Amino acid sequence: DIHMTQSPSTLPASVGDRVTISCRASQSIDNWLAWYQQKPGRAPKLLIYKASSLESGVPSSFSGSGSGTQFTLTISSLQPDDFATYYCQQYHRFPYSFGQGTKLEIK
Amino acid sequence: QVQLQESGPGLVKPSETLSLTCTVSGGSISSSYWSWIRQPPGKGLEWIGYISSSGYTNYIPSLESRVTISLDTSKNQFSLRLTSVTAADTAVYYCAKVQSNWAYYFDHWGQGTLVTVSS
Repeated sequence: DIHMTQSPSTLPASVGDRVTISCRASQSIDNWLAWYQQKPGRAPKLLIYKASSLESGVPSSFSGSGSGTQFTLTISSLQPDDFATYYCQQYHRFPYSFGQGTKLEIK
Repeated sequence: QVQLQESGPGLVKPSETLSLTCTVSGGSISSSYWSWIRQPPGKGLEWIGYISSSGYTNYIPSLESRVTISLDTSKNQFSLRLTSVTAADTAVYYCAKVQSNWAYYFDHWGQGTLVTVSS
């Protein structure tokens, strides 16, 4: 099975900051990676697919990069609505797996 | 715009069977793949399995002996059945649409339903 590891687990930040969340796969997944945002009590929302493709309707302040085993999600300028938990998910190989999550919190 | 809505009991007794249904609107269940994903309270996401538009299923190995996902095309619904539940199965259960049969990420989600396993 492919194991996904995110870092950090918690990220304190301020409005206007540029932040980066990392996701590492235990083996190469090419670019078969998605990123989701989840707010408390809500379902996850798709942000990025195929490592760097922005889902329709997602602000351009979100971007993804990486391939192989190392990936990043970047938010160029944090807005109040961006404080949430973020998950990566690999879909290169069954069983599809998620990272443990990164909680972006107000500093 | 595809919308999904989970329904089913919020409380299940240990050793009994958890049964949930996902109703799809705004699109045909016959045109996509569909998944169940769960999230224990305060924890991360766990993919349970998927069903194709033709009824082919694939499940996470750790649950394979206890789980069944099925389709009801006449009602535009798909369902989850998990047998012999324990407290470890307490979670919010989400149904989701798989983007395509070659891209197994989830582009539409239900709101989720909390299922508690307790006597």
